[in-house]
Amino acid sequence: DQQVKQNSPSLSVQEGRISILNCDYTNSMFDYFLWYKKYPAEGPTFLISISSIKDKNEDGRFTVFLNKSAKHLSLHIVPSQPGDSAVYFCAASGFGGGGGADGLTFGKGTHLIIQP
Amino acid sequence: KAGVTQTPRYLIKTRGQQVTLSCSPISGHRSVSWYQQTPGQGLQFLFEYFSETQRNKGNFPGRFSGRQFSNSRSEMNVSTLELGDSALYLCASSLASQGNNSPLHFGNGTRLTVT
Repeated sequence: DQQVKQNSPSLSVQEGRISILNCDYTNSMFDYFLWYKKYPAEGPTFLISISSIKDKNEDGRFTVFLNKSAKHLSLHIVPSQPGDSAVYFCAASGFGGGGGADGLTFGKGTHLIIQP
Repeated sequence: KAGVTQTPRYLIKTRGQQVTLSCSPISGHRSVSWYQQTPGQGLQFLFEYFSETQRNKGNFPGRFSGRQFSNSRSEMNVSTLELGDSALYLCASSLASQGNNSPLHFGNGTRLTVT
């Protein structure tokens, strides 16, 4: 049973526009959420995180929104750039960013394609 | 600051053999975690080490084991390899263990192929 779901396997966005990646979770014990970006043949790169005491966190072009009641989070990238083309993973933890009893739980990823 | 370093990058083994993968964390990071990535299952947690002690373990058989040394470097061992063990094995380090909002930083992984 997937506790972290990314329902869109792929997403295509025009360069300069906003990219919105979505993630849903089912485990109410999750209290820390992270987004990672992954290029082929490389490990995931940490982008941004948010704890459950907040509903928004910004870092440059990246903003993560958390809706605890809906068990939903999203990553906004504005403006989208060609280098943003990659697979994006949503991850969750029950104890904090280092991993809970089961480590980080990852979604299956969304392949973001930025069109020129 | 150097990132997480994993060696080797690629490995080919045959069924029944055993393999050891190595990971050097970011300087100053004391927590090392291991993950397995496969096309079907995605990224799955194997185990976490902090100060040479295994803190957490995922749902993997006992053939998967690891250890951490006093310099925080870690090794992961898989014995009696099976075809299904073919995967990308990722190591990640963080400043603190569970219970702290300290994100994991991943290496580029070791691609293991079992034939």
